Amino acid sequence: SAVISQKPSRDICQRGTSLTIQCQVDSQVTMMFWYRQQPGQSLTLIATANQGSEATYESGFVIDKFPISRPNLTFSTLTVSNMSPEDSSIYLCSSSGRGGSAQYFGPGTRLLVL
Amino acid sequence: SQELEQSPQSLIVQEGKNLTINCTSSKTLYGLYWYKQKYGEGLIFLMMLQKGGEEKSHEKITAKLDEKKQQSSLHITASQPSHAGIYLCGADLYGGSQGNLIFGKGTKLSVKP
Repeated sequence: SAVISQKPSRDICQRGTSLTIQCQVDSQVTMMFWYRQQPGQSLTLIATANQGSEATYESGFVIDKFPISRPNLTFSTLTVSNMSPEDSSIYLCSSSGRGGSAQYFGPGTRLLVL
Repeated sequence: SQELEQSPQSLIVQEGKNLTINCTSSKTLYGLYWYKQKYGEGLIFLMMLQKGGEEKSHEKITAKLDEKKQQSSLHITASQPSHAGIYLCGADLYGGSQGNLIFGKGTKLSVKP
């Protein structure tokens, strides 16, 4: 199983600023994903982080708001840009091997925007 | 409409009792994942089911996927306070080629000592 770490674990940010969340996997993985979990809700996929190319975004999420990098097979970042209180959520990254393999999650980044 | 329905939404049981959580899909599942989440934390992987009729167990937790691959159940035997948390089912609806999961809304489990 993959071990995933995220930084920061939590942050409190001011409206209009941006925050970059880092996700590190302890082994090379094929796929990495970013999810959002709004208060009291389940997880919603933001995008698939593709190594060496642009991320693939789900409906309702755009690159300008959530730019993603994936420079190699073990690391990815998600930036939450121009934040508003509605962006207050837990942001989780996950990884899996090729299709059909188990998907593991990081501990999450708890974001509060004031 | 919600593609993945979980029931019940919440559950309070006495320590030592058995319980079952259900997850139902409107589409055939290529894979079904069960996770546990403590409040405000990440997801802990429990089990993955891929074959119709498959059943897996780990300690006191058993998960099953029906033959039609549209419904899964998670059963906890002799519940303990350590079992408390939010249980989430996640479904691979796309055959694994995309890899991302669709999640149910979760079942909040409380275990009374």
